[in-house]
Amino acid sequence: DQQVKQNSPSLSVQEGRISILNCDYTNSMFDYFLWYKKYPAEGPTFLISISSIKDKNEDGRFTVFLNKSAKHLSLHIVPSQPGDSAVYFCAASPTGTASKLTFGTGTRLQVTL
Amino acid sequence: DTAVSQTPKYLVTQMGNDKSIKCEQNLGHDTMYWYKQDSKKFLKIMFSYNNKELIINETVPNRFSPKSPDKAHLNLHINSLELGDSAVYFCASSRGQGRQPQHFGDGTRLSIL
Repeated sequence: DQQVKQNSPSLSVQEGRISILNCDYTNSMFDYFLWYKKYPAEGPTFLISISSIKDKNEDGRFTVFLNKSAKHLSLHIVPSQPGDSAVYFCAASPTGTASKLTFGTGTRLQVTL
Repeated sequence: DTAVSQTPKYLVTQMGNDKSIKCEQNLGHDTMYWYKQDSKKFLKIMFSYNNKELIINETVPNRFSPKSPDKAHLNLHINSLELGDSAVYFCASSRGQGRQPQHFGDGTRLSIL
C-alpha cells in the first residue's frame, strides 16, 4: 500500500523555467511533509518542509504548496538550474511520530540548457 | 567533513553469510535511523534509535539487528543473508524525534550472490 505517490517518474525542464514536482498522499494522518533531493551515489539531502497548518512554505528558489483537501503537495523550483538535476523525493509523517517518514518513489528532474 | 558516514560503501557477499554495516554521525544528533531502498526505489524505514533506545522497529525480519553503542553510532548486523536483502541501505540522523529534517549518509549497496 503506497501511501505517498509521485506519479511522474521523470520531468525535463529548460534552464531558467519553472519546475513543478507533484506528490499525492492517501493517509489523512500525515501532517508533516518534506522534500529531499538525491544525486547519484549520494544520500538524500533535505530541501524544504511544510506542516499541515500551513499551505505554503518558501526558501529561496524552492516553494512547497500543500492542498490538504486534495491530499496533494507540490514543489516549485524557480528558476531551474542545471545543478537542480537530481531525483526528488516527497516524504510525509503522521501526527505524533514525526520521525517516521514515508517516502514516495521519486521524480527524476533534468534541467536542460 | 562528512556528517553521516557509512562503511562500507559497497558490500558483495554470498547467501547465508553474516555482515555488518557501520554508521557514525558527527552532528551531535540524538536520533538515528536505518532505511532500505529496494530495486523499485522505495525508501523504507527499518529502525530508529533515540539516545541508544529503540523507538521504531518496522516489521523487519529478526535476522536484522541494529546496535547503538552510543548516540553517535548505529550499526546494522544482518545474519543469514538472503537474495532479497540486496538493496541500498541508508543511515540517517536527526536532532530529535520531532519535526526535524533527517540527514542521510551516502548509502551502502549490498549485493547478495
